[in-house]
Amino acid sequence: DIVMTQSPDSLAVSLGERATINCKSSQSVLHSSNNKNFLTWYQQKPGQPPKLLIYWASTRESGVPDRFSGSGSGTDFTLTISSLQAEDVAVYYCQQYYITPHTFGQGTKLEIK
Amino acid sequence: VQLVESGGALVQPGGSLRLSCAASGFTFSNYWMSWVRQSPGKGLEWVANIKQDGREKYYVDSEKGRFTISRDNAKNSLDLQMNSLRAEDTAVYYCARGRDTYGFILDYWGQGTLVTVSS
Repeated sequence: DIVMTQSPDSLAVSLGERATINCKSSQSVLHSSNNKNFLTWYQQKPGQPPKLLIYWASTRESGVPDRFSGSGSGTDFTLTISSLQAEDVAVYYCQQYYITPHTFGQGTKLEIK
Repeated sequence: VQLVESGGALVQPGGSLRLSCAASGFTFSNYWMSWVRQSPGKGLEWVANIKQDGREKYYVDSEKGRFTISRDNAKNSLDLQMNSLRAEDTAVYYCARGRDTYGFILDYWGQGTLVTVSS
């Protein structure tokens, strides 16, 4: 199975500041056939189901604010929130869908400093 | 798009349970569907998915043979049959839809149904 490891486990950032969450996969999730990275980012707020933010490692889902961006390739990926808003407090998960099982990272809890 | 899970309950170890997900607001038969679970206070775990026609199914290794995913496109319904349940199966089980352009990207999720395995 591909192991997804996120860092840090928790993060406190001041409002308006940048938040960066990292995700590392135990093997590459870059598919040579289409040169796409099979990686998504989800946001989960307390008491709610996860919400899709980013797919193909860097494509923002419709309706997601442009302060959210994804980057990286191969085994190393980053979710960046350019200017943290109060409503961004949540747990963020990366997931690979390159091969089954489609494993998730352990999550990163983002709070306001 | 609406996904509504049901069937969660308190069940004894070794017991069985069948979860259902009622889908509406989209053409169910055109989409891959998945189950993802979340143990209390823990992270997300992908459980299984099923192709539009039900002919391809994939499972997390630990549940192969115990869990069975199925769908009824005529009823717009997704099921998860769970047998030989263990304490570690205690979780909220989410039903999720795969994107039309690539079915393994989960773009809509239900609110989940809680399964508790305990004596």
